[in-house]
Amino acid sequence: EAGVTQSPTHLIKTRGQQATLRCSPISGHTSVYWYQQALGLGLQFLLWYDEGEERNRGNFPPRFSGRQFPNYSSELNVNALELEDSALYLCASSLGGQITEAFFGQGTRLTVV
Amino acid sequence: GQQLNQSPQSMFIQEGEDVSMNCTSSSIFNTWLWYKQDPGEGPVLLIALYKAGELTSNGRLTAQFGITRKDSFLNISASIPSDVGIYFCAGLTPLVFGKGTRLSVIA
Repeated sequence: EAGVTQSPTHLIKTRGQQATLRCSPISGHTSVYWYQQALGLGLQFLLWYDEGEERNRGNFPPRFSGRQFPNYSSELNVNALELEDSALYLCASSLGGQITEAFFGQGTRLTVV
Repeated sequence: GQQLNQSPQSMFIQEGEDVSMNCTSSSIFNTWLWYKQDPGEGPVLLIALYKAGELTSNGRLTAQFGITRKDSFLNISASIPSDVGIYFCAGLTPLVFGKGTRLSVIA
């Protein structure tokens, strides 16, 4: 069974451009979480989607947005890219509910130049 | 928002030593998870805990879900060089992470 898959693996953009990152959860998982991890630092919570709806949002500006599709895959969009947006973006999926496990994809390395 | 306090921030130990790290929270969680992350990769789930007081092992790893549901610890016995990495605790729901413990093992 396929795990969480993220695409692309690497992405290079210039300042001011927009980036779109994609995440396919494990089959049957309805919750998707997005995190930003700058080099050598911890996981900063971005967004949580469950059953197609945004359930929670981290302390990030509105230019970070996303959505979850009917098949539970998800997109993260970052507008007006800034140099400090360079980071590893990680997606995790889980079953709905509070008694469950969450699994991560391999991440998308976004570099803004 | 919810935050997890994870300690220690980093550890340098000799191969063969035991390791202990813990997480505390001001909020109650129904699930505690422990992950290990290697450089440039996504975190890998090590242990999941679902019941207050639960003690679970996975090989040389042992983790416990605190009775108050506000804390958890992870122990690694007889450390080996491949244990090197960053260990994260996390609580559900939502999926909130500690800042990580960076483990270095000296052969």
